[in-house]
Amino acid sequence: DADVTQTPRNRITKTGKRIMLECSQTKGHDRMYWYRQDPGLGLRLIYYSFDVKDINKGEISDGYSVSRQAQAKFSLSLESAIPNQTALYFCATSDFYNEQFFGPGTRLTVL
Amino acid sequence: EDQVTQSPEALRLQEGESSSLNCSYTVSGLRGLFWYRQDPGKGPEFLFTLYSAGEEKEKERLKATLTKKESFLHITAPKPEDSATYLCAVQAGSNYKLTFGKGTLLTVNP
Repeated sequence: DADVTQTPRNRITKTGKRIMLECSQTKGHDRMYWYRQDPGLGLRLIYYSFDVKDINKGEISDGYSVSRQAQAKFSLSLESAIPNQTALYFCATSDFYNEQFFGPGTRLTVL
Repeated sequence: EDQVTQSPEALRLQEGESSSLNCSYTVSGLRGLFWYRQDPGKGPEFLFTLYSAGEEKEKERLKATLTKKESFLHITAPKPEDSATYLCAVQAGSNYKLTFGKGTLLTVNP
């Protein structure tokens, strides 16, 4: 079984809809991250969490929110999706030494 | 602000033709430099971490090196299965976040 799983793997939605992307990990890491990847822009950090009670904004957090339900679960929500949020979204985890391990990604399309 | 620049953006090689990818960085207080491989439609896969200038690490046909301003990923006698996008990222100062470059798309033709 994969160490970092993401659901759904693909999602097509409409402008204005609320969307939740979920991430689970079995690596036992405390630190979890959400990134988005766009062609030509690379990976950009949306939110990160160092433990269940610690949530931090990344460089592009506007329009997104997160919830750390447990050490192993970290969800990303788009409260009202817009077309420029169409992207590939990755969850990642790390231990103290910050070698991040990534999930398989969620391809989100907002029409 | 931490900056990471990777070059070239794309590189096409023939099988067996060795080459290098470059990652130059501007940071205050490097804590670590990371190399990842990413296949199309998949998440980045961790390859190496380098912590100080002069450090080198190897894995199969890949060798990563680090200086005070840049890192190189050397690919020796590449095979078509080495085709992927290679990403470089830095962690600096007391900031635990990674800053990624935009990647180099490597294509190895048989």
